[in-house]
Amino acid sequence: GAVVSQHPSRVICKSGTSVKIECRSLDFQATTMFWYRQFPKQSLMLMATSNEGSKATYEQGVEKDKFLINHASLTLSTLTVTSAHPEDSSFYICSAARTASNYGYTFGSGTRLTVV
Amino acid sequence: SQKIEQNSEALNIQEGKTATLTCNYTNYSPAYLQWYRQDPGRGPVFLLLIRENEKEKRKERLKVTFDTTLKQSLFHITASQPADSATYLCALDKAGNMLTFGGGTRLMVKP
Repeated sequence: GAVVSQHPSRVICKSGTSVKIECRSLDFQATTMFWYRQFPKQSLMLMATSNEGSKATYEQGVEKDKFLINHASLTLSTLTVTSAHPEDSSFYICSAARTASNYGYTFGSGTRLTVV
Repeated sequence: SQKIEQNSEALNIQEGKTATLTCNYTNYSPAYLQWYRQDPGRGPVFLLLIRENEKEKRKERLKVTFDTTLKQSLFHITASQPADSATYLCALDKAGNMLTFGGGTRLMVKP
């Protein structure tokens, strides 16, 4: 089955530093990947749509200069949280969809970011 | 914009009983609706997808219904087990293959 690998699973960083999160589709090609953010006991909120070879599309209210997305290949998308602050602490999850929609979307295992 | 409502209160049931979770949406009917399971600290796992022209879909102990008139989907787990305890999310598609998620319902199955 489709597998999406996300790393790291947990990261603690100091305020003002940048953190990069990787999302890889291991056994299928994903021209589109999605990045979500989830606060405790809340649902997933779509941050941006990552398209291979082009600029990401950000949802309203998401700062594109703060959350840099790169989708350089059909199997890898990265999210970089720049100049992180404590309010950026959250659970970040990526997902990708295979062409046939019967399979739904495959999600990574998520990254718990804590900014201290 | 699409609003998706799931019961935010936890659903507690006894092992062996059928769990029924509800997902209501308020705006346009999506081309398909999906259900996911999420365990604490993990990403969602896809369970079932049902299309707008399908009224019911089954997979092992799971059953999903889709009523576009009521704008509602029901998710059933029969013969529930403690291992079914998790948060269950419904999601609807948007343009560009994006998904909008409901707030999820936490299910607790007691032995």
